[in-house]
Amino acid sequence: EVQLVESGGGLGQPGGSLRLSCVASGFTFSSYAMNWVRQAPGKGLEWVSAMSGSGGSTYYADSVKGRFTISRDNSKNTLFLQMNSLRAEDMAVYYCAKVFGMGILGAFDIWGQGTMVTVSS
Amino acid sequence: DIQMTQSPSSLSASVEDRVIITCQASQDSSNYLNWYQQKPGKAPKLLIYDASNLETGVPSRFSGSGSGTDFTFTISSLQPEDVATYYCQQYKNLPLSFGGGTKVEIK
Repeated sequence: EVQLVESGGGLGQPGGSLRLSCVASGFTFSSYAMNWVRQAPGKGLEWVSAMSGSGGSTYYADSVKGRFTISRDNSKNTLFLQMNSLRAEDMAVYYCAKVFGMGILGAFDIWGQGTMVTVSS
Repeated sequence: DIQMTQSPSSLSASVEDRVIITCQASQDSSNYLNWYQQKPGKAPKLLIYDASNLETGVPSRFSGSGSGTDFTFTISSLQPEDVATYYCQQYKNLPLSFGGGTKVEIK
């Protein structure tokens, strides 16, 4: 079964750090670009970051650039999001999502269940 | 950046009604436009990719059309299980962007 499972969410302090993980199964992880998308409580979807299958290309939304780092370990079928300098506006459910097809950009055909990040002192 | 404007933001329709949602891009997005369904407490689900292609396993009552800046998403016969919020998303340019969502309810 094709599946993405996120973990690592929880309570982070303003200015603090959290590291999210997303473990993939059921497909050749290294062949596909992966993304992080977030959703603040009661709000819409916001794209956060993307990484190519090889890990050689990364992209960020302006709202997280310089604070968040996307990475992947293809030997462990795992995608990461290192979140530093957390702000109140980073509070959201974070989803990892697989790109449909071979490009870096495309539709998100597989989504994880999401992991909640709360930012509060 | 490409801004995606969805309308309406919410709608209420009867079972078996035809439902139409529109999405307008602030710049030409060619056909790089996808539609997702999100039920409460759940992750989004891909329904339509590249403006008009039905994702595998998605019922044929869902369809999409359009190109450039104007796109349409249609549910030909609304069913109770279609209660959800629907989002459009462009991937012509970075940053990727989503519409604000359309909440669909049963009257």
